[in-house]
Amino acid sequence: GQQLNQSPQSMFIQEGEDVSMNCTSSSIFNTWLWYKQEPGEGPVLLIALYKAGELTSNGRLTAQFGITRKDSFLNISASIPSDVGIYFCAGQKRKLTFGTGTRLTIIP
Amino acid sequence: EPEVTQTPSHQVTQMGQEVILRCVPISNHLYFYWYRQILGQKVEFLVSFYNNEISEKSEIFDDQFSVERPDGSNFTLKIRSTKLEDSAMYFCASRTAQETQYFGPGTRLLVL
Repeated sequence: GQQLNQSPQSMFIQEGEDVSMNCTSSSIFNTWLWYKQEPGEGPVLLIALYKAGELTSNGRLTAQFGITRKDSFLNISASIPSDVGIYFCAGQKRKLTFGTGTRLTIIP
Repeated sequence: EPEVTQTPSHQVTQMGQEVILRCVPISNHLYFYWYRQILGQKVEFLVSFYNNEISEKSEIFDDQFSVERPDGSNFTLKIRSTKLEDSAMYFCASRTAQETQYFGPGTRLLVL
């Protein structure tokens, strides 16, 4: 089946630092999505990308849909404590295929 | 803002028992999904449902699983005879004709 490799697996950063994570796939997707999940809750959509090369921002979050349609990155600028959680990329061709997640921890 | 809701939030059951997990998708959505997430792992696709039939299912979705849209609002996942390895968070999701799926808060299923 389709696999998404997401890195890094975990990040420990200071408040105020910028964060960058990415996903790569061996398959092409029509849509890339970035979700955040907090403990005991469902994934919450952060950013959706619909076109190859698209760069989209949502507040402090910026994500890009790779030109090859096989990768995407998410950047978070000036991190704050509420950014803590697990971030998942997901590629969509009808169903969603999720990445393995990046666990973000912010050190006060 | 409309959201996907799921009940119950937690379910504990004995191995071999049947469970039904319920979802109320967003009202104007047409495509419905179930996913599961085993503790500490990624979210995995189970099944998609459109126009009152299954449109795609994964290898996880075997004969023990079934889905139903019994009325205009509910979307259910039934596990006929639960196994220990069915313990997981189960997420329902829905979308319109656009691509973006919205997830419910999940049902945590524990099989003893």
